[in-house]
Amino acid sequence: AQSVTQLGSHVSVSEGALVLLRCNYSSSVPPYLFWYVQYPNQGLQLLLKYTTGATLVKGINGFEAEFKKSETSFHLTKPSAHMSDAAEYFCAVSDRYTGFQKLVFGTGTRLLVSP
Amino acid sequence: ETGVTQTPRHLVMGMTNKKSLKCEQHLGHNAMYWYKQSAKKPLELMFVYNFKEQTENNSVPSRFSPECPNSSHLFLHLHTLQPEDSALYLCASSPGDRGTDTQYFGPGTRLTVL
Repeated sequence: AQSVTQLGSHVSVSEGALVLLRCNYSSSVPPYLFWYVQYPNQGLQLLLKYTTGATLVKGINGFEAEFKKSETSFHLTKPSAHMSDAAEYFCAVSDRYTGFQKLVFGTGTRLLVSP
Repeated sequence: ETGVTQTPRHLVMGMTNKKSLKCEQHLGHNAMYWYKQSAKKPLELMFVYNFKEQTENNSVPSRFSPECPNSSHLFLHLHTLQPEDSALYLCASSPGDRGTDTQYFGPGTRLTVL
């Protein structure tokens, strides 16, 4: 069975500071990995995903994540936080051998950005 | 309308009521999903439909009954719910059911069961 662990239910940064949101996964087969963002009163929106190839993945709004197989991690980073980045972020894993897409989500990390 | 829409956005119901949640996608996708989002818990996949056929029922109680009349519409019929069913119910769609597909989410229906 797959699982996702997101360290820290809340992360606070100052505007302009580095954003680092941690995600570790457990999977018995090579995974597909996703980061989604949820703004208040909205559904989830894909930030980026890793499926194959280059392990450093760039997404929207200046975010990127690196797949590290040896560490079973897929941490999300952004060099400089903006007030508009305040939202909840979800890491998810999908089994590439399952016949349909079944996303397993972490519990989410709420990013707080202060001026 | 574009993307994935859900109605109603908010719903309050008693435990003996019957209500339905509606989801519509305008993306030409073939797969649709229902998720439950509760506070401090991971999103829980409830049902998956691919080309109108149900491909996953994640051990959901029978008081939740899904219906997918076509690839653009998905319903969740609710009856005799419990207070612990109060949550945000999210609908999503994807082009197909491949593991690499991106899911597009609607804004959700905030359900309160009294």
